[in-house]
Amino acid sequence: EAQVTQNPRYLITVTGKKLTVTCSQNMNHEYMSWYRQDPGLGLRQIYYSMNVEVTDKGDVPEGYKVSRKEKRNFPLILESPSPNQTSLYFCASSPPGQGGQPQHFGDGTRLSIL
Amino acid sequence: KQEVTQIPAALSVPEGENLVLNCSFTDSAIYNLQWFRQDPGKGLTSLLLIQSSQREQTSGRLNASLDKSSGRSTLYIAASQPGDSATYLCAVDDYKLSFGAGTTVTVRA
Repeated sequence: EAQVTQNPRYLITVTGKKLTVTCSQNMNHEYMSWYRQDPGLGLRQIYYSMNVEVTDKGDVPEGYKVSRKEKRNFPLILESPSPNQTSLYFCASSPPGQGGQPQHFGDGTRLSIL
Repeated sequence: KQEVTQIPAALSVPEGENLVLNCSFTDSAIYNLQWFRQDPGKGLTSLLLIQSSQREQTSGRLNASLDKSSGRSTLYIAASQPGDSATYLCAVDDYKLSFGAGTTVTVRA
């Protein structure tokens, strides 16, 4: 089954404790991205990757890091999490090429930073 | 910077009524527009994708129109059912996806 898998689905942690949210897709998609969803603000892009070893900032990259060492994986790293990073996070993937490719989303990761 | 607006923010209708959801965007230089459905605690499911060269797209009871020149898209859901209750998001792709805040739909049995 074609899917985007995120782990963990839920995490409660404390300020400053490094964490990684993993994202894996099994559709051989080149393009992957991370979003956060906050009430009243909608979904905002954090980082995206056009292919292996190619990443770039989205609208709200501060406080986050990403890496793309393999096509299927795109982890999101919070080196020193803070309470303002409490949010619902989504990973998405799609084939390359603008115009005709719908994005596939994971089920989300709910992070609470105390 | 692309701004995407969805009105209304919430909608409640009796079962069987047709739904009309609106999406507007500020920059018409887009590649495509997508409509998504989001259920509570779940990710986003792509419903329809309209490429910039298309005027509309249909799938079953769903029909989405796109008017690039006026910066608007409309999602029609015919003969609504309680299972259609969800949040509907539109997203504009102009090299990256910009999302609206969504319309939360409740279909009353």
